[in-house]
Amino acid sequence: GAVVSQHPSWVICKSGTSVKIECRSLDFQATTMFWYRQFPKQSLMLMATSNEGSKATYEQGVEKDKFLINHASLTLSTLTVTSAHPEDSSFYICSARDRLVLPSSEQYFGPGTRLTVT
Amino acid sequence: AQSVAQPEDQVNVAEGNPLTVKCTYSVSGNPYLFWYVQYPNRGLQFLLKYITGDNLVKGSYGFEAEFNKSQTSFHLKKPSALVSDSALYFCAPLSGNTGKLIFGQGTTLQVKP
Repeated sequence: GAVVSQHPSWVICKSGTSVKIECRSLDFQATTMFWYRQFPKQSLMLMATSNEGSKATYEQGVEKDKFLINHASLTLSTLTVTSAHPEDSSFYICSARDRLVLPSSEQYFGPGTRLTVT
Repeated sequence: AQSVAQPEDQVNVAEGNPLTVKCTYSVSGNPYLFWYVQYPNRGLQFLLKYITGDNLVKGSYGFEAEFNKSQTSFHLKKPSALVSDSALYFCAPLSGNTGKLIFGQGTTLQVKP
């Protein structure tokens, strides 16, 4: 099946620094990738939709200047958490949809990145 | 507003018994319906989906789900639970308007030996 990877799987950073998380589709091309945030024992909250070659679309309440998304190729999207603070600590998950399949097809999810800001 | 309800935070079953994880939704149109499973500190894995046709959908790991249009429900089922099925399960309609998955709050399934 289709595989989505994320790197790093976990990261610890100091408050005020920036962290970049990569999301890659390994065996398919993804026009669209999605970034989610998940708090412990809670549901996934969609942060933004990333479209290859264009600006990301952010959900209401998500700061676009804080969570920078770049989707420069059909297999790579990055999320940069700028000037991170402890409240940004969370589990970040990306997903991707194969560009060659119908919109009814499932999204493939990455394994997630655990961010801890100290 | 579009929403998904998984009324049970946790479902406990004994190994070998049947299990049901409930899901109801309020989404305009005829949404596509998905179930995903999440193991601890992992991403989500696709289990099954309903697009159209037969109301009983079969998926991975012996799971199936029954679509009921009149009740706007899509309950996940398995005839015989395994301890390894213990995980967090998400129901997620796909909004035809936005193309985005709408996630329920999740149900933790605990299967005891």
